Amino acid sequence: GAGVSQSPSNKVTEKGKDVELRCDPISGHTALYWYRQSLGQGLEFLIYFQGNSAPDKSGLPSDRFSAERTGGSVSTLTIQRTQQEDSAVYLCASSLGRAGANYGYTFGSGTRLTVV
Amino acid sequence: EDQVTQSPEALRLQEGESSSLNCSYTVSGLRGLFWYRQDPGKGPEFLFTLYSAGEEKEKERLKATLTKKESFLHITAPKPEDSATYLCAVVGGTSYGKLTFGQGTILTVHP
Repeated sequence: GAGVSQSPSNKVTEKGKDVELRCDPISGHTALYWYRQSLGQGLEFLIYFQGNSAPDKSGLPSDRFSAERTGGSVSTLTIQRTQQEDSAVYLCASSLGRAGANYGYTFGSGTRLTVV
Repeated sequence: EDQVTQSPEALRLQEGESSSLNCSYTVSGLRGLFWYRQDPGKGPEFLFTLYSAGEEKEKERLKATLTKKESFLHITAPKPEDSATYLCAVVGGTSYGKLTFGQGTILTVHP
C-alpha cells in the first residue's frame, strides 16, 4: 500500500482481556518497528523485525506482550491479560532496510488502546 | 544508551513570531537525527534527517540544523497551521536502526 496501515484505529477492552493490534507495512519495507506512546510520554520502543532475522524484543515491557511478523509483511502485536497501564497509542513504523537512518521511517496512524 | 532531551516542553507563539526548538542528544556514533511533526490523533510525519554536524535542511518555514550535541528546529514567521507536536529522534551506531525519541515540543501558533 501507499502507507503504513494499522488496525483497529481505536480499541476499548476490559482489564484482563487479550488484544491483537495489526500493522501492514509499506510493500517492500523489510524493517518493521512497534512503538508505544503514552499520554505525556515520548515514543517508547517495543520490538523490531528485520527481514528473516530474529526480532529485537528488548523493549517489550513484560511477558504479556508479544509480536510476530508473518511472511515478512504483516505484523501483529498481542497483549495478554491487559492492564490499565497498557492504555496508550501503539504506533507501527516501517523502513526499507536495517539502516533505517539512511532510508527513513514511515509511521502509521496508530491504534489507541483503552483498558477499562 | 542513546538519550534525547527536547526543550521547551511547550511553546506558544503569535503568528509571524519566529523561534527555535531545541533537541539535545547523547548517542554513540550518530547515524542520523530525525525531526517529525505529529498532529493530534495521527502518527509522526517525517520532516528532516540530518547526518553530520554543520548540516542544515529547509522546508517551507522550517529549518533544521545540527551540531555535535544538539539540533535546532527554526520556525520562521509561523502560521497557525504549524501548530503541532515536534518530535526529535536519533539512531546511534549501536542501536541497529532503532529510533530513540525525545518527549516532544508542543507548538501552538495563535493567529
